[in-house]
Amino acid sequence: AQSVTQLGSHVSVSEGALVLLRCNYSSSVPPYLFWYVQYPNQGLQLLLKYTTGATLVKGINGFEAEFKKSETSFHLTKPSAHMSDAAEYFCAVISYSGGSNYKLTFGKGTLLTVNP
Amino acid sequence: NAGVMQNPRHLVRRRGQEARLRCSPMKGHSHVYWYRQLPEEGLKFMVYLQKENIIDESGMPKERFSAEFPKEGPSILRIQQVVRGDSAAYFCASSPEVHSLNTGELFFGEGSRLTVL
Repeated sequence: AQSVTQLGSHVSVSEGALVLLRCNYSSSVPPYLFWYVQYPNQGLQLLLKYTTGATLVKGINGFEAEFKKSETSFHLTKPSAHMSDAAEYFCAVISYSGGSNYKLTFGKGTLLTVNP
Repeated sequence: NAGVMQNPRHLVRRRGQEARLRCSPMKGHSHVYWYRQLPEEGLKFMVYLQKENIIDESGMPKERFSAEFPKEGPSILRIQQVVRGDSAAYFCASSPEVHSLNTGELFFGEGSRLTVL
């Protein structure tokens, strides 16, 4: 079974500072990994995804993530935080259970606070 | 191009009543997923449906919960005899086909927030 673990349920940064949100995965097969963002009282929006190919993937709003197989990690970064980045961020992995049974399995989320 | 539509956005029920949550997937999407979100627990998978078929219901509680996705109309998540522990946000997501899910994303609705008094 595939799973992800997000380290840190709450991260607080100053505006303009580096954002680093950590995600480690567990998978017996090459993983497909995702980061989603959720703004208050809204649904989830895809930030970026890794399937195959380049291990550094760029997403929307200046975010990027690097797939590191040796570390089983897929950390999300942004060089300079903006107030509008305050939200909850979820790492996810495709779980496959045979046949046509695919689903996304999510981590518990990391709430990002950006201080002025 | 309308996104995934969920209604109601907010629902209040008393213990013992029934809750029905509806989800209309994006146009052209035939795969629907339901997730439940509780504070500090992230999103928990409940059920995966294709038109007229339940593919995976491994995340559904054994009692009181059911889901359907008929040939016509929205997907319905039904909770009978609600209890306070059912209070949560319920999200629906859709995908156009298996291939897309294998390589891509799910499209989420804005959720239905159930409060049980």
